[in-house]
Amino acid sequence: DTGVSQDPRHKITKRGQNVTFRCDPISEHNRLYWYRQTLGQGPEFLTYFQNEAQLEKSRLLSDRFSAERPKGSFSTLEIQRTEQGDSAMYLCASSSPGQETQYFGPGTRLLVL
Amino acid sequence: SQQGEEDPQALSIQEGENATMNCSYKTSINNLQWYRQNSGRGLVHLILIRSNEREKHSGRLRVTLDTSKKSSSLLITASRAADTASYFCATGSARQLTFGSGTQLTVLP
Repeated sequence: DTGVSQDPRHKITKRGQNVTFRCDPISEHNRLYWYRQTLGQGPEFLTYFQNEAQLEKSRLLSDRFSAERPKGSFSTLEIQRTEQGDSAMYLCASSSPGQETQYFGPGTRLLVL
Repeated sequence: SQQGEEDPQALSIQEGENATMNCSYKTSINNLQWYRQNSGRGLVHLILIRSNEREKHSGRLRVTLDTSKKSSSLLITASRAADTASYFCATGSARQLTFGSGTQLTVLP
């Protein structure tokens, strides 16, 4: 069973550095989502792709954040000039057309020192 | 911002007891979903209830929805230690989900 995978699972970086995370959705899913989750809170929506098109972006996605899904398959989330406030779990999810259920990956835990 | 709020924030029960968690939301919905998250892991979908449904069952799970009160409840019957997790309600659309802040359930063996 190939569920949603994310890489890396953990990332420690210094403030000011750039980081990039990868998400591989379930193969037949054309919808892909990124969420951010801080300790003790529920996930917060960041962005949504349908195939390669980025159709929704949250106000949380500042200009230091960029997400891509170049071929409508895997996606990357890049954070430039990281800040300590970026420390969080970054979750990726996918779903298929007409489906409201989202399938989540294990997340990438980012710690900015 | 969080659309929903779960209540209680934390719940501790003995194995075999039932656990009830509540969720309130703010805007009108087409459906409401419940997800479970084990510590440090991704979320797992449990159940979806549509706005025209009042109650839904799945195994040991029972979900109710009261759209007039903008609230939902999740009941887990005959709890097990493996049910220890955070539980979140979520509303939204196919384009994005908005999650509550969650209930941390601990089931003691």
